[in-house]
Amino acid sequence: EAGVTQFPSHSVIEKGQTVTLRCDPISGHDNLYWYRRVMGKEIKFLLHFVKESKQDESGMPNNRFLAERTGGTYSTLKVQPAELEDSGVYFCASSQAGGSYNEQFFGPGTRLTVL
Amino acid sequence: AQSVSQHNHHVILSEAASLELGCNYSYGGTVNLFWYVQYPGQHLQLLLKYFSGDPLVKGIKGFEAEFIKSKFSFNLRKPSVQWSDTAEYFCAVNAQNGGFKTIFGAGTRLFVKA
Repeated sequence: EAGVTQFPSHSVIEKGQTVTLRCDPISGHDNLYWYRRVMGKEIKFLLHFVKESKQDESGMPNNRFLAERTGGTYSTLKVQPAELEDSGVYFCASSQAGGSYNEQFFGPGTRLTVL
Repeated sequence: AQSVSQHNHHVILSEAASLELGCNYSYGGTVNLFWYVQYPGQHLQLLLKYFSGDPLVKGIKGFEAEFIKSKFSFNLRKPSVQWSDTAEYFCAVNAQNGGFKTIFGAGTRLFVKA
């Protein structure tokens, strides 16, 4: 069974540019999450999808960030325009339908560097 | 607001030493508790979890953790570490009745000397 995949693995962009990160969850997982880790600090929750619906987007930093999950399969996270403080590793995770105790399976992350 | 505190950012041990990584959380309700591990070059993966029942939880690779509700703690232990345990360890919590938002600690980097 394929795990959670993320693309690209690395992205280096200049301040003001746009970047789109993609996450493909494990097939059949209704729950999809985005997290971010900045400069070795804690992994911070960004948002949670159940199928195509945003269940909780309380962690999204500001309106420069837009997440979508069309059709309830893969998800994209767009940053527009990117700022220096957006640099970090963006993780995607997915879990089965059911309780919040279900294990979240993580992707390898996308390392974003904004210059 | 929920938060998770991990007591040590870096730990260095020799092989066969015992390990205990501290984790405290702040949240007034009923929680699910997790320890995740990230080995060098690999994805984050689940070590163990607690959501109900016996507060002493056993996970993979000989790890265990004990939930002490009165102390809001969920410390990770291993009696004898191996070089292959070198990794970063994350404590995490989510609310059982509050959605799936998971709060992570800052991580503890463990280096085991061979």
